[in-house]
Amino acid sequence: SQKIEQNSEALNIQEGKTATLTCNYTNYSPAYLQWYRQDPGRGPVFLLLIRENEKEKRKERLKVTFDTTLKQSLFHITASQPADSATYLCALRMDSSYKLIFGSGTRLLVRP
Amino acid sequence: GAGVSQSPSNKVTEKGKDVELRCDPISGHTALYWYRQSLGQGLEFLIYFQGNSAPDKSGLPSDRFSAERTGGSVSTLTIQRTQQEDSAVYLCASSPGAYSNQPQHFGDGTRLSIL
Repeated sequence: SQKIEQNSEALNIQEGKTATLTCNYTNYSPAYLQWYRQDPGRGPVFLLLIRENEKEKRKERLKVTFDTTLKQSLFHITASQPADSATYLCALRMDSSYKLIFGSGTRLLVRP
Repeated sequence: GAGVSQSPSNKVTEKGKDVELRCDPISGHTALYWYRQSLGQGLEFLIYFQGNSAPDKSGLPSDRFSAERTGGSVSTLTIQRTQQEDSAVYLCASSPGAYSNQPQHFGDGTRLSIL
């Protein structure tokens, strides 16, 4: 069956450390993978998109990798800050499709 | 602001009543999506509108759910004869088109509680 898996347990880290979140998928062949941030009571906010032929994408303190062999994306936040505390969602998109298929998200807590 | 607007932000109603949820997408965005998010869960696709094309209703969980989009802009999601399992946050998103490299812009949702 098709699955997108994100760690359901919260990731608790110290301010200043690098946070690494994982998105694994099964029986999908996504052309694009997106990461969103969601704060309590708010809608998701787009952060980064990476294509299947890209290994890595960076934006400020954020870095995303996409390994189509492992069927995995890693999302890194360097020099993490308490303001980075939120739930992070990964979403897959197949080529020529308008549908985003979301994981259930991982909650990140950054301690001051 | 010029973001996606949803109303009401919260709705509490009794089981069996009908509810209407509204979404105002970003001006000029032709693609509009409805999702449902249950507590601690990911987003469940419900329905998709693109311009004047027939909507993709494949995600609607039952025939009690329907949606329309008038004039290619505002959309309304209607749930008839609500059940307790309909309790969730209903999110609307829009994007400039249906192209795969375009992110979706979300509203803050309507939190629906069925008593």
